[in-house]
Amino acid sequence: GENVEQHPSTLSVQEGDSAVIKCTYSDSASNYFPWYKQELGKRPQLIIDIRSNVGEKKDQRIAVTLNKTAKHFSLHITETQPEDSAVYFCAGLNSNSGYALNFGKGTSLLVTP
Amino acid sequence: ETGVTQSPTHLIKTRGQQVTLRCSSQSGHNTVSWYQQALGQGPQFIFQYYREEENGRGNFPPRFSGLQFPNYSSELNVNALELDDSALYLCASSSPHGGTYQETQYFGPGTRLLVL
Repeated sequence: GENVEQHPSTLSVQEGDSAVIKCTYSDSASNYFPWYKQELGKRPQLIIDIRSNVGEKKDQRIAVTLNKTAKHFSLHITETQPEDSAVYFCAGLNSNSGYALNFGKGTSLLVTP
Repeated sequence: ETGVTQSPTHLIKTRGQQVTLRCSSQSGHNTVSWYQQALGQGPQFIFQYYREEENGRGNFPPRFSGLQFPNYSSELNVNALELDDSALYLCASSSPHGGTYQETQYFGPGTRLLVL
């Protein structure tokens, strides 16, 4: 089945700096890649997603890039703010074989003022 | 916040007992997926229900079972609880199969289960 690797496991940046989280996947047929933000004690919240027919997607300070050849995708957060501090999870899904999201192990992002 | 709700929020059980967790999907969503999230880990897929039938299952033993009701709400049942079953159990709902963005899953707040 799909295996999603996520790096780094922890990331500390200063407010205003950019943060980048990278994920690789093993199933070349995966075609949907969401990113979730999970604050302590809260539900995973979908923040952005990308489908395999697109190379990049942006929503305000958040962007995701996808490289299908290399089988990796990345989350970019610009102008980070303390409220961006949370655990971020990437996931992959092959909609042709079902709808199970395969998650990475998460990145704990800390934005210090 | 999503319209996905779960109950109860917290639960304490002892080893060997049985537990039932409940999930109400977002309005208009007929597909419910269940995930187990151990502390410090990403969610792991348990199974998915669509139109009251199991529509895919992850690497979980048969003592994990589920139901979906005509109103698309769902239950997760776990028999013969083990200490390792202690985790946050999340359900996620998604829009109808064949529809636009059917892959997109919205999570409920979860049920935190502690097995002693």
